[in-house]
Amino acid sequence: GAGVSQSPSNKVTEKGKDVELRCDPISGHTALYWYRQRLGQGLEFLIYFQGNSAPDKSGLPSDRFSAERTGESVSTLTIQRTQQEDSAVYLCASSLRTGFTAATDTQYFGPGTRLTVL
Amino acid sequence: AQKITQTQPGMFVQEKEAVTLDCTYDTSDQSYGLFWYKQPSSGEMIFLIYQGSYDEQNATEGRYSLNFQKARKSANLVISASQLGDSAMYFCAMRGTTGGSYIPTFGRGTSLIVHP
Repeated sequence: GAGVSQSPSNKVTEKGKDVELRCDPISGHTALYWYRQRLGQGLEFLIYFQGNSAPDKSGLPSDRFSAERTGESVSTLTIQRTQQEDSAVYLCASSLRTGFTAATDTQYFGPGTRLTVL
Repeated sequence: AQKITQTQPGMFVQEKEAVTLDCTYDTSDQSYGLFWYKQPSSGEMIFLIYQGSYDEQNATEGRYSLNFQKARKSANLVISASQLGDSAMYFCAMRGTTGGSYIPTFGRGTSLIVHP
């Protein structure tokens, strides 16, 4: 079946502009995660959606970052007034649901969106 | 708070030999899951193997096995018979239930280079 898809694959923007990144999770996956990966670094958790529960936004670095998810489908990550330090690859992942088995808990990642802020 | 430590920034191995990538974790949770992901230069994150905290047997997936030592809080990845295509970054991760949240934590990664 189809995997996690993200768009755009690359985004170049000017400092101060707003950007919107999109994630389409695997169909049927109730959990969705956003991460940021700076060049040569590990993954930095941003936000987590689980079904219709309130999202866990504890990883968002500032109030310029926000994310929404429509039901259990598409999610968008919005960065307002972009700064050069926002340049990174933004990765989205989905998992079947929350649980401690490989089947439920394994996160499948999209290809990422490479954001460059000039 | 959860923490993942990968102490090896870089590892080298000869093709066809086995290699162990270290991962230690810290959590006060009783229930948690441990993961390993591979990230080749193309940037995609590829799931390799999963170990649940209540699993009594070490997880295995083909050439990958996870050496789970719960008392030591270690979850080392063993790759047998290394192949040139195994050259990549490898990330250890965990997800617990701290404070009722399910935030995953990733280590900083280990770069593996397989020599012919």
